[in-house]
Formats: sequence, C-alpha cells, structure tokens
Amino acid sequence: DVQLVESGGGLVKPGGSLRLSCTVSGFIFSDYTMNWVRQAPGKGLEWVASISSRSNYIYYEDSLKGRFTVSRDNAKHSLFLQMNSLKAEDTAVYYCARERDTTLVIYNALDIWGQGTMVTVSS
Amino acid sequence: DIQMTQSPSTLSASVGDRVTITCRASQSISSWLAWYQQKPGKAPKLLIYRASSLESGVPSRFSGSGSGTEFTLTISSLQPDDFATYYCQKYDTYSKTFGQGTKVEIK
Repeated sequence: DVQLVESGGGLVKPGGSLRLSCTVSGFIFSDYTMNWVRQAPGKGLEWVASISSRSNYIYYEDSLKGRFTVSRDNAKHSLFLQMNSLKAEDTAVYYCARERDTTLVIYNALDIWGQGTMVTVSS
Repeated sequence: DIQMTQSPSTLSASVGDRVTITCRASQSISSWLAWYQQKPGKAPKLLIYRASSLESGVPSRFSGSGSGTEFTLTISSLQPDDFATYYCQKYDTYSKTFGQGTKVEIK
C-alpha cells in the first residue's frame, strides 16, 4: 500500500525549532516531487513548500522563506521540514503530500497525503 | 500573487441534490486546478485534477469544469458520504494556493 507517515510534531515554545519527518512506502520515492501543506485549527489548507525528486527545485510559501527548510533523503525514503523561529501562528497540522507524476508537466496536484502531525507553538 | 476565491463558504443541501461549488482565480491559471474533499480529522483527498480530470477511484457523480479564471465542482446527486469541506487549489506555478474552502452541510 502507498503510505506517508509524518512524525516529529509536538509542543514547542515561541522562538524554538522543530524538525518534521515524513516516511514513505509503497512507491518509488525518488521519482516524485513532495510537498508540505499545513492547516491551522479550524482553518483552511495552506501550501508550505515543495521539493523536486532530486532536490534541485525547492520552493516555499513566500512568508515562510528563511524560517522553514525542506529537504529529503531518497535513500531513506524520507522527507523533512526544519522549522526555526517558530511563532504561535505556525500552530497547525502539517501534512506531507506526493505530487502527481510530473514527467510531462512541471507542477501537479497532490494525490497522496499523510495523516498529518500536529505542531503547537505556545509558551 | 494569484488569489483563489471559493463560493459559497457554506452550502446546505439534501441527499440527492445537485451541488455546484465555484472557484475563481484572480488571474488566468489555464486548467491547472485541482479539487479536494476533506472530512473532519482526516487528510484531504484528491477528487479532480487539471480542472476536469477525475482521479482514479473517485465516484463519477463528481465532475469539474472551467478554465482561465472560473471553475466549478459539481456533485450530480449528493450522497451521505459527500458531506465534507471542499477546496480548490491552483498549481500553474510553484505556488500551490488553496481556496478558503466550501463546507457542504446537511439541510
């Protein structure tokens, strides 16, 4: 079965750091662009970042540049999100998501999602 | 930045109703639009990509249309399992902005 499992969420104080992980199984991880999407409690979805299959194209939502860093380890079938200088407004469920096949197109919809990991930023 | 606006924000409907949700982009995004369904406490599920292509395994009562700046998601006959929140998302560039969501409630 295709599966994405996030981990690393938890409670962190404002200004602190957290590293999220997403472990993948059931498909060839190194073939796909991956994304992070977050959802604050009771709010809508917000795209956070994407990283291409070989890490040569990395993009962030403009307001998060400089604080968040996305990376991946294809050998370990894992995606990461390093979050620094965390703020209360970063409190959200963070999802990793696979981007549909980008062989013929540059960008695509998100077809497989993990269950999410909750990040709470509070003193 | 291109903004995505959905309407309505909330929709009350009955089982068997035909339901239409609209998503408008502030600039043309060609057909680079997806629709997702999300139930409480669950991850979003892809329904439609490239504005009108049905994702594998999604019931045929779901359909998408539109191009440029105006798009619609239609549920031809609402089923009990369809009460959820629906989001559109653009992906014409690296910035994959979502609409604010439309909650479909039981009337």
